[in-house]
Amino acid sequence: GAGVSQSPRYKVAKRGQDVALRCDPISGHVSLFWYQQALGQGPEFLTYFQNEAQLDKSGLPSDRFFAERPEGSVSTLKIQRTQQEDSAVYLCASSFPVAGMGETQYFGPGTRLLVL
Amino acid sequence: TQLLEQSPQFLSIQEGENLTVYCNSSSVFSSLQWYRQEPGEGPVLLVTVVTGGEVKKLKRLTFQFGDARKDSSLHITAAQPGDTGLYLCAGEPSGTYKYIFGTGTRLKVLA
Repeated sequence: GAGVSQSPRYKVAKRGQDVALRCDPISGHVSLFWYQQALGQGPEFLTYFQNEAQLDKSGLPSDRFFAERPEGSVSTLKIQRTQQEDSAVYLCASSFPVAGMGETQYFGPGTRLLVL
Repeated sequence: TQLLEQSPQFLSIQEGENLTVYCNSSSVFSSLQWYRQEPGEGPVLLVTVVTGGEVKKLKRLTFQFGDARKDSSLHITAAQPGDTGLYLCAGEPSGTYKYIFGTGTRLKVLA
């Protein structure tokens, strides 16, 4: 069975470049989360989608970060004008049904972003 | 800001030893999860606890949710090298879908 997949797995960007990170959730999963994980730390919440609706984007660090899920399945996290502090692993997770009350989140392998 | 503090941060032990990892907060959570993460992979859910005082066992792993639902512990009996990894707790504040992850405990079990 297919789990959550993310691409690319690794991305090296020069400071100032725009990057786009893709997440393919498990088919039929309603909820989709993006997290940022710094080296040696726990994941930090970025944003949450329920189907195509972005219900919470309170964790996005700045207006350079933008996420979308136009058809309620695949999601893209875009970072404009990347900075060195954006270097981290970006994790995507999906769950079914609607998140809350302890539903299992299934995580992808992450995209490791390095900004030089 | 809700924080989940984990202790210890790092733990290196010999195969066969027992260990306990703690996850503490001043906030109440409606549920708490424990994950294990290996290098280059995403976290994998080990257990979810939802009731204060709840104890769950998964082979050699015992998980407990505090009575006040503010803290949790993970106890591993007779650790094995395959237990090596980053252990993360994640709490779900009441009435939300958003999980707050702990700071992580990096465990290394030596053969």
